[in-house]
Amino acid sequence: NAGVTQTPKFQVLKTGQSMTLQCAQDMNHEYMSWYRQDPGMGLRLIHYSVGAGITDQGEVPNGYNVSRSTTEDFPLRLLSAAPSQTSVYFCASGKAGMNTEAFFGQGTRLTVV
Amino acid sequence: SQQGEEDPQALSIQEGENATMNCSYKTSINNLQWYRQNSGRGLVHLILIRSNEREKHSGRLRVTLDTSKKSSSLLITASRAADTASYFCATMYSSASKIIFGSGTRLSIRP
Repeated sequence: NAGVTQTPKFQVLKTGQSMTLQCAQDMNHEYMSWYRQDPGMGLRLIHYSVGAGITDQGEVPNGYNVSRSTTEDFPLRLLSAAPSQTSVYFCASGKAGMNTEAFFGQGTRLTVV
Repeated sequence: SQQGEEDPQALSIQEGENATMNCSYKTSINNLQWYRQNSGRGLVHLILIRSNEREKHSGRLRVTLDTSKKSSSLLITASRAADTASYFCATMYSSASKIIFGSGTRLSIRP
């Protein structure tokens, strides 16, 4: 089973470049989310979605855009990369409802120079 | 700021001992969850406790929840080298369907 798949695994960007981090899940989960994890720290929620066509902001949304056109995919767009966005990005998905557990991808390590 | 804060930030114990980690949160929740992360990999879900539950067990894991104190603890009994990892608590708000993580506890098991 594929579960949650993130691509790419590693990426180096120059300041000001834009890019899209891909996230796909094959578990028919309604809930999907993006987190960033900085060295030695916990995960901070960037954006999340409870279904196709529905997205909402998390704790640190600035500089990132998301869309949810299908249940399976939840891409994260960096509009103009900055060194402060150097981090490891995790995508997660889960079933709808108030007692959702999150299933995580393996992460994308992004460096902005 | 993050919903959950964990204590201690780092914990080193001898193999076979018990490890206890604590988590505090700020607002009303639907549930509290614990996750494990090995060496910067993706997180793995360990256990979920609902807001109307006080204690839950899963194998060597025991989780308690005290909603009056807005706190939870994770106990790992009879620790093993393979338990070396970072452990995170996460909460789902009552008001929104999103999962917010704490800062984590780095657990090291000495042989």
